[in-house]
Amino acid sequence: DAGITQSPRHKVTETGTPVTLRCHQTENHRYMYWYRQDPGHGLRLIHYSYGVKDTDKGEVSDGYSVSRSKTEDFLLTLESATSSQTSVYFCAISASGLGDEKLFFGSGTQLSVL
Amino acid sequence: SQKIEQNSEALNIQEGKTATLTCNYTNYSPAYLQWYRQDPGRGPVFLLLIRENEKEKRKERLKVTFDTTLKQSLFHITASQPADSATYLCALESNTGKLIFGQGTTLQVKP
Repeated sequence: DAGITQSPRHKVTETGTPVTLRCHQTENHRYMYWYRQDPGHGLRLIHYSYGVKDTDKGEVSDGYSVSRSKTEDFLLTLESATSSQTSVYFCAISASGLGDEKLFFGSGTQLSVL
Repeated sequence: SQKIEQNSEALNIQEGKTATLTCNYTNYSPAYLQWYRQDPGRGPVFLLLIRENEKEKRKERLKVTFDTTLKQSLFHITASQPADSATYLCALESNTGKLIFGQGTTLQVKP
């Protein structure tokens, strides 16, 4: 998957606990994204980053925070997980962030919040 | 609000036939439209991009059309094969410049 590694691949956690998902890329791309995918909703953008320490919100950012301290790593944190955050989370990267540029996706993290 | 619609019902076709998937959008004027393929348990993989001034784009057995008047894109797979079975997603550049995805249509090609 184009030098993108997501970890963990699967996680089960309890409501109210903090959870951090990691995305690591080896492509040196400037833009990194976190999406969630749910039946009936498709892929929805949570947060994205356009450089080290530069991040912005997507369409479903409530309850999530992100950090990017290095070009290659983009972390997604659920401060206090809720059952509505049970989903498959995908990290994606792109070089320029322009609308005519394709995204490369990781293999996803299946998160279950019980 | 901006909306993308893909047929949520699975498309079942016979091997060798042409599969046609539809992507409709409203309240948009996107300059670009992309199509992705997603296999179970994997992330989406980019297939094709078409610009608003391009009526049609081809890549091997794939063809995409983009009708800005109808606000619709059609994705065709000719001479379909069982290996083409997957979920296909369309994506548009939103007003914020970021990609917004449709829900995807699952294609099942039967031998």
